[in-house]
Amino acid sequence: GAGVSQSPSNKVTEKGKDVELRCDPISGHTALYWYRQSLGQGLEFLIYFQGNSAPDKSGLPSDRFSAERTGGSVSTLTIQRTQQEDSAVYLCASSLSPASGELFFGEGSRLTVL
Amino acid sequence: GENVEQHPSTLSVQEGDSAVIKCTYSDSASNYFPWYKQELGKRPQLIIDIRSNVGEKKDQRIAVTLNKTAKHFSLHITETQPEDSAVYFCAAILPGNNNDMRFGAGTRLTVKP
Repeated sequence: GAGVSQSPSNKVTEKGKDVELRCDPISGHTALYWYRQSLGQGLEFLIYFQGNSAPDKSGLPSDRFSAERTGGSVSTLTIQRTQQEDSAVYLCASSLSPASGELFFGEGSRLTVL
Repeated sequence: GENVEQHPSTLSVQEGDSAVIKCTYSDSASNYFPWYKQELGKRPQLIIDIRSNVGEKKDQRIAVTLNKTAKHFSLHITETQPEDSAVYFCAAILPGNNNDMRFGAGTRLTVKP
């Protein structure tokens, strides 16, 4: 595609439910990142995928959060048993390679947990 | 991953004045330092970047300087305009197997007309 695509753009869920957020990176981009941005806050690193290497999961805030990247392309971020503090915009970004540097961000998925 | 600190958290300037945002990083091996601009309700976008083999880079009204010895880099915006109002994020990347990019906390710049 022309850019990084994320879905859903908006998700409202009840506390305790599981949610899945999807990211479709730019074709050919080997690096994929997930960030969380709470209202008016910065970009909190969650997880990073690079090619076939083991992902860097050091930013995941709890074991309720997990992510996978199938076939080196599409990634899914899963949040189990959602809590109100999980409410935020979840941003996905991809880059051609780590050495190339520039990240291209998606529009984000806004999650609201009631 | 790298640890990046950014300041100030908010900055207000008069149109036409200059704005400077500063960041420090913790690992001297970091070699790439981008700056992203995020307008209200939009995605962050790269505005300028610098690699560790140069000390300064300019692009029209914006410039970035890098001091590797002190491990800090700065964004300079001259002749500010209201459309420069946004949140600016610095970042640093550490080469190696884990090239994850860590961002500073952001600076909310307001340019008053």
